Amino acid sequence: RKEVEQDPGPFNVPEGATVAFNCTYSNSASQSFFWYRQDCRKEPKLLMSVYSSGNEDGRFTAQLNRASQYISLLIRDSKLSDSATYLCVVSPIGAGNTPLVFGKGTRLSVIA
Amino acid sequence: DGGITQSPKYLFRKEGQNVTLSCEQNLNHDAMYWYRQDPGQGLRLIYYSQIVNDFQKGDIAEGYSVSREKKESFPLTVTSAQKNPTAFYLCATRPEGANNYGYTFGSGTRLTVV
Repeated sequence: RKEVEQDPGPFNVPEGATVAFNCTYSNSASQSFFWYRQDCRKEPKLLMSVYSSGNEDGRFTAQLNRASQYISLLIRDSKLSDSATYLCVVSPIGAGNTPLVFGKGTRLSVIA
Repeated sequence: DGGITQSPKYLFRKEGQNVTLSCEQNLNHDAMYWYRQDPGQGLRLIYYSQIVNDFQKGDIAEGYSVSREKKESFPLTVTSAQKNPTAFYLCATRPEGANNYGYTFGSGTRLTVV
């Protein structure tokens, strides 16, 4: 089983739609979780951290289910500018600064 | 401005040639990382360093070498032993003991073998 698995997509959605991405991770002792956004031919940028209680930032909501080892990202009212690849990222347990593990990403295209 | 600078942005390498990719940061972060990304693929860890004069191999270290002589700098050398070096190379940093923090990335170097 891969450490971090994501549906590669692409997800093609109309403007204004709500879209959800899922991610599963294999290491039950993983500590921290993140969603990154990567635009074509650019570096990844942190979108949001994921907390156990769930967290929201504007149109974006992240959820963590430790029992099922599952992370989700919900985007409401999709904009054209949301088109990008979304990377699920997990920090395994270990000494400080253990390298993060990246999923391969889910590609989103928002269509006018 | 604080940040990470990777250079060059584009690099062309001839067969059998060694090339060095630069990564410089002024964020005062202790940990630095090198990843490789191939088209349509995820990021794969090459090397990382948690402290000056120390570094560890990642998942795909063969054909690469690094040094960490000062906190600000973590150059990556792609040697002739790396048979398929064409890829997008990303450098990242993170503060000390910061498992709850994500990475900050540089803007990347796109390496092509000609």
